[in-house]
Amino acid sequence: EVQLVESGGGLVKPGGSLRLSCAASGFTFSSYSMNWVRQAPGKGLEWVSSISSSSSYIYYADSVKGRFTISRDNAKNSLYLQMNSLRAEDTAVYYCAREAQFDYWGQGTLVTVSS
Amino acid sequence: DIQMTQSPSSLSASVGDRVTITCQASQDISNYLNWYQQKPGKAPKLLIYDASNLETGVPSRFSGSGSGTDFTFTISSLQPEDIATYYCQQYDNLPRTFGQGTKVEIK
Repeated sequence: EVQLVESGGGLVKPGGSLRLSCAASGFTFSSYSMNWVRQAPGKGLEWVSSISSSSSYIYYADSVKGRFTISRDNAKNSLYLQMNSLRAEDTAVYYCAREAQFDYWGQGTLVTVSS
Repeated sequence: DIQMTQSPSSLSASVGDRVTITCQASQDISNYLNWYQQKPGKAPKLLIYDASNLETGVPSRFSGSGSGTDFTFTISSLQPEDIATYYCQQYDNLPRTFGQGTKVEIK
């Protein structure tokens, strides 16, 4: 069974940093591209970043470019999102999702940016 | 960026009704379109991929159609468990973009 489990969310002050993790199981992680998607409270879905299976290709939404870094460790079946210079508008539930078709999603982890 | 215009933003229908949601892309995306269901407090769930293919395990009352710029999502007979917000999403180009969502309620 495919499982994606996010962790690392929490309360952080504006300008602070946080690192999210997504632990994958039930499939050959190294064969799939991965994504981060976020959802602000009461709002719709926003794509954040994507990384190819071998990390050769990495893409970011303009809203996070230069502040967020996506990475993966295929040996550990894990996906990461390093978030720096956090702003109030980054407050959201962050989901990891598999492949270009976003066919499986984790349960999400809440990031709250507030002083 | 490709804009996805989804309508209506909300709808109220009776159990057993046919429900239709539309999604229009700002440019041709071929059939690179997904439909998701999201229940409160839960992650989105993929229902339809490649515009018209039903994901494994999804009830057959859900269907999708369209290609190019105009797409339709249909629930043939609304059930109480279908109460949720539904989103379209294109994966033809980066950035991946979602429709604004359609909240479906029972009348």
